Amino acid sequence: EAGVVQSPRYKIIEKKQPVAFWCNPISGHNTLYWYLQNLGQGPELLIRYENEEAVDDSQLPKDRFSAERLKGVDSTLKIQPAELGDSAVYLCASSLEGSYNEQFFGPGTRLTVL
Amino acid sequence: GENVEQHPSTLSVQEGDSAVIKCTYSDSASNYFPWYKQELGKGPQLIIDIRSNVGEKKDQRIAVTLNKTAKHFSLHITETQPEDSAVYFCAARPYGGATNKLIFGTGTLLAVQP
Repeated sequence: EAGVVQSPRYKIIEKKQPVAFWCNPISGHNTLYWYLQNLGQGPELLIRYENEEAVDDSQLPKDRFSAERLKGVDSTLKIQPAELGDSAVYLCASSLEGSYNEQFFGPGTRLTVL
Repeated sequence: GENVEQHPSTLSVQEGDSAVIKCTYSDSASNYFPWYKQELGKGPQLIIDIRSNVGEKKDQRIAVTLNKTAKHFSLHITETQPEDSAVYFCAARPYGGATNKLIFGTGTLLAVQP
């Protein structure tokens, strides 16, 4: 069974440029999460989707970050414009619906903003 | 909101020894506590979890204990092996309907010396 797929794996951009990350969850997982992981820290939830609906986006900086999950499968996270402080790893995870279901993480996208 | 503290931040043990990582949480209503292992360049992977109605759970060389009164839980790895070297994260899930939101600790870098 294929795991969570993310692309690109690495991205280097200059500040003020836009950037987008893509995630393909495990087949059949209707819950999708985007996390931010700063160096030496644990993942922090940015947004959670149940199918195509964003049910928790309280931690998403909406002035520059946006996300979408069209058709309730793949998802894209965008930053525009990027700032130096956005340099981090962006993790995507998916799970079956339900409180105790395991979250499966992708390998992440490492973003460097110069 | 929920806050999770994790100690130690780094841990070095000799192969064959035991390793213990401890976490405390602030929200007494939290009811689910997973542990994740993250290897370099990969996303976190669930290794064991425990629900609030259980005091201890074991899976081969790893075990987790939960003390709800003191609001802390611990990961125990026995007979450590070099392949156990990784960053370990604890997490807690605040109680709140069907949400599967996890609050992660800051991680413990475990180094198993052969």
